[in-house]
Amino acid sequence: QSVLTQPPSASGTPGQRVTISCSGSGSNIGSNYVYWYQQLPGTAPKLLMYRDNLRPSGVPDRFSGSKSGTSASLAISGLRSEDEGDYYCAAWDDSLTGVVFGGGTKLTVL
Amino acid sequence: QVQLQESGPGLVKPSGTLSLTCAVSGGSISSSNWWSWVRQPPGKGLEWIGEVYHSGTTNYNPSLKSRVTMSVDKSRNQFSLKLSSVTAADTAVYYCARDPSPVTRGWFDPWGQGILVTVSS
Repeated sequence: QSVLTQPPSASGTPGQRVTISCSGSGSNIGSNYVYWYQQLPGTAPKLLMYRDNLRPSGVPDRFSGSKSGTSASLAISGLRSEDEGDYYCAAWDDSLTGVVFGGGTKLTVL
Repeated sequence: QVQLQESGPGLVKPSGTLSLTCAVSGGSISSSNWWSWVRQPPGKGLEWIGEVYHSGTTNYNPSLKSRVTMSVDKSRNQFSLKLSSVTAADTAVYYCARDPSPVTRGWFDPWGQGILVTVSS
């Protein structure tokens, strides 16, 4: 049982917009930044979004992040086949004094 | 840019100690970063194990705290993980990662390629 809650799966067709949610509490998302990671099949995770809604260089602007209260979301517009993989949210938890991850969302491009 | 590379035994016996090292290249381990270990059991999600600062200060996942030790070797520009009393549940791909901010946490960039450690007799 992960501290941050994500839907186990999401899907869309090429060109569509997909949103992945991440729900937490006041001790993590509610008081700290959220980070998103993309893990393509057989590879190490890669930073996709930092400090709630900032994109590292090289990440397409099709990816965007948002946060409200104790929940965060990752939106992917113009869905492409190469976006297929697992997506994880993460945040620092003040109560646990550590980083907590969501359980991950498997994105399928139909 | 900074690159990370994990190394260590790929097979550990039950009740033994898992020992891994992460070599840092393209940057100094003494810079203002936290250095973390994250693991991923086969087919499952990510779990943060803990972090170490170049001063030796550490923070560990409460669920693993009693079995984890992390340290920094400045002379070799690397940091390490020791996990004791391992069981099959500790079988996972172990990643090392850098947190580029000394203040905020959870920001991992870059990651090492990962090393699969299997616990089996």
